[in-house]
Amino acid sequence: GAGVSQTPSNKVTEKGKYVELRCDPISGHTALYWYRQSLGQGPEFLIYFQGTGAADDSGLPNDRFFAVRPEGSVSTLKIQRTERGDSAVYLCASSSDRDPGDTQYFGPGTRLTVL
Amino acid sequence: RKEVEQDPGPFNVPEGATVAFNCTYSNSASQSFFWYRQDCRKEPKLLMSVYSSGNEDGRFTAQLNRASQYISLLIRDSKLSDSATYLCVVNLYNTDKLIFGTGTRLQVFP
Repeated sequence: GAGVSQTPSNKVTEKGKYVELRCDPISGHTALYWYRQSLGQGPEFLIYFQGTGAADDSGLPNDRFFAVRPEGSVSTLKIQRTERGDSAVYLCASSSDRDPGDTQYFGPGTRLTVL
Repeated sequence: RKEVEQDPGPFNVPEGATVAFNCTYSNSASQSFFWYRQDCRKEPKLLMSVYSSGNEDGRFTAQLNRASQYISLLIRDSKLSDSATYLCVVNLYNTDKLIFGTGTRLQVFP
């Protein structure tokens, strides 16, 4: 079946602009996660949704970052007043509590470049 | 100190070789352990979970030592297609977020 999809695959923006990154999880997965991966590093947790609510947003670096999942399916990560340090690959993952160990399945990511 | 530490490599090995990667974690509240594989410019994919008793999946063997807070991955009979970055991952008790190491890069040459 279809995996996690993310759009756009690449986004180039200028410092100070606003961006939205979209994640479409695997159908029926109730849990959705956002991670950020900088060059040469492993992914870093940003936020986790269970259904429509953010169950853990402890990884969001500051209040310029915000994420929503209004209907418990698609999620949007929003970044205001982008900075060059925000440049990274933003990965989305989803999981089902019916999977052993709640395996997280990752999407292909959105590569964000802030000029 | 990083929560999950790995040697970044690269490990350059010939086809057919056996190679081992190690990883240490700092938080004793870690409860679940995984190895993920990530190909260049691709997303991470679960390779295998790691259990205290040790577990094997074909050419891959994973071990966990809770007392030493140490995880290992052994790859036997390396294939060219094993070339990738291997990410050591832990999950803390009562949380759902994954904590990743920086990854160890493996390059298998003919």
